[in-house]
Amino acid sequence: GAVVSQHPSWVICKSGTSVKIECRSLDFQATTMFWYRQFPKQSLMLMATSNEGSKATYEQGVEKDKFLINHASLTLSTLTVTSAHPEDSSFYICSARDLWTANTGELFFGEGSRLTVL
Amino acid sequence: GENVEQHPSTLSVQEGDSAVIKCTYSDSASNYFPWYKQELGKRPQLIIDIRSNVGEKKDQRIAVTLNKTAKHFSLHITETQPEDSAVYFCAVTGTASKLTFGTGTRLQVTL
Repeated sequence: GAVVSQHPSWVICKSGTSVKIECRSLDFQATTMFWYRQFPKQSLMLMATSNEGSKATYEQGVEKDKFLINHASLTLSTLTVTSAHPEDSSFYICSARDLWTANTGELFFGEGSRLTVL
Repeated sequence: GENVEQHPSTLSVQEGDSAVIKCTYSDSASNYFPWYKQELGKRPQLIIDIRSNVGEKKDQRIAVTLNKTAKHFSLHITETQPEDSAVYFCAVTGTASKLTFGTGTRLQVTL
């Protein structure tokens, strides 16, 4: 089946630093990847849609200058949390849509990255 | 944008009983309705999905029903087991091809 790998699985950083999270589709090509954020005991909230070779589309209320998204290839998207603050501490999950089964609507999720900002 | 409501937020059932979780959505053009199970600290796991041209789908103890006219769909789990305990999310893909999640239901199956 389609596998999405996300790295790192957890990271602790100091306030003011930047953190990069990688999302890779291992056995399929993904023209579109989605980044979600999940706070404790809450639902997954879409942050942005990442399209290969173009700028990401951010959801309302998500700062594009703070959450930098790069989708340089059909198998890799990265999310960089810049100048992280404690309120950015959350579970970040990426998902990808297989180029060849995009019409089915199914998404494949990464393992998630737990970010803790001290 | 799409608005997805999910009820109940918590559900406790005895082992062997059935559990039903319901979701409503706002975008009448939505066409894909998956259900996910999420265990603490892990990624959402797809357990069943249904598309807009189908009214019902079943996979062993799990079934989903869709009422497009009323814009609601439900997850049915029969013969619940302790390992069914988790948080369940419904989700909807609308016209923007984005997947919007419901608020989640914490299911507890007691012995």
